[in-house]
Amino acid sequence: AQTVTQSQPEMSVQEAETVTLSCTYDTSENNYYLFWYKQPPSRQMILVIRQEAYKQQNATENRFSVNFQKAAKSFSLKISDSQLGDTAMYFCARQGGSEKLVFGKGTKLTVNP
Amino acid sequence: KAGVTQTPRYLIKTRGQQVTLSCSPISGHRSVSWYQQTPGQGLQFLFEYFSETQRNKGNFPGRFSGRQFSNSRSEMNVSTLELGDSALYLCASSSLVGYEQYFGPGTRLTVT
Repeated sequence: AQTVTQSQPEMSVQEAETVTLSCTYDTSENNYYLFWYKQPPSRQMILVIRQEAYKQQNATENRFSVNFQKAAKSFSLKISDSQLGDTAMYFCARQGGSEKLVFGKGTKLTVNP
Repeated sequence: KAGVTQTPRYLIKTRGQQVTLSCSPISGHRSVSWYQQTPGQGLQFLFEYFSETQRNKGNFPGRFSGRQFSNSRSEMNVSTLELGDSALYLCASSSLVGYEQYFGPGTRLTVT
């Protein structure tokens, strides 16, 4: 089975600091997409950032950026200037071609004041 | 554009009953996927529909079924409910298969 692994079940960070969430994945596809989703206590799943595997440039969305290492099959999320509203579960996900979206188990991030 | 909507938001059912959940995708999106989220198993893929055709199916028993209508709205049905079916059921839509998915708020199903 092609999997997505998030090795950090829980993390915490102080407000205004930077935190990096790790994700590794397994795939036999050459073209695929990687995503980070955020699920706050409200349970609404929100797309944070998207990366196409064929693009070498790392995606960035405001305070969120990724470090995509295709050869290592690694896709980490960096959150800069952490805010209290960033407290949530973060899920890494992979989708290749017409395949289903496969999620990791998630990392629970707590931002402390 | 309005987001993905799911109805109902909360449901309480008894073992052995059946339930139907509804999902309306973002306008213009033709792909709808369903997921089950539980504390123990995490997010598990149920099925995906595109233009009224099931494109992918997860490893769930036949009690779980779905369909998509010509307006892209989708329903999923669970028959003969079991306690283990208690979960948050999430629906997501995308413009095409393989593109980023946008999620609805979910339906919280409790089976007693």
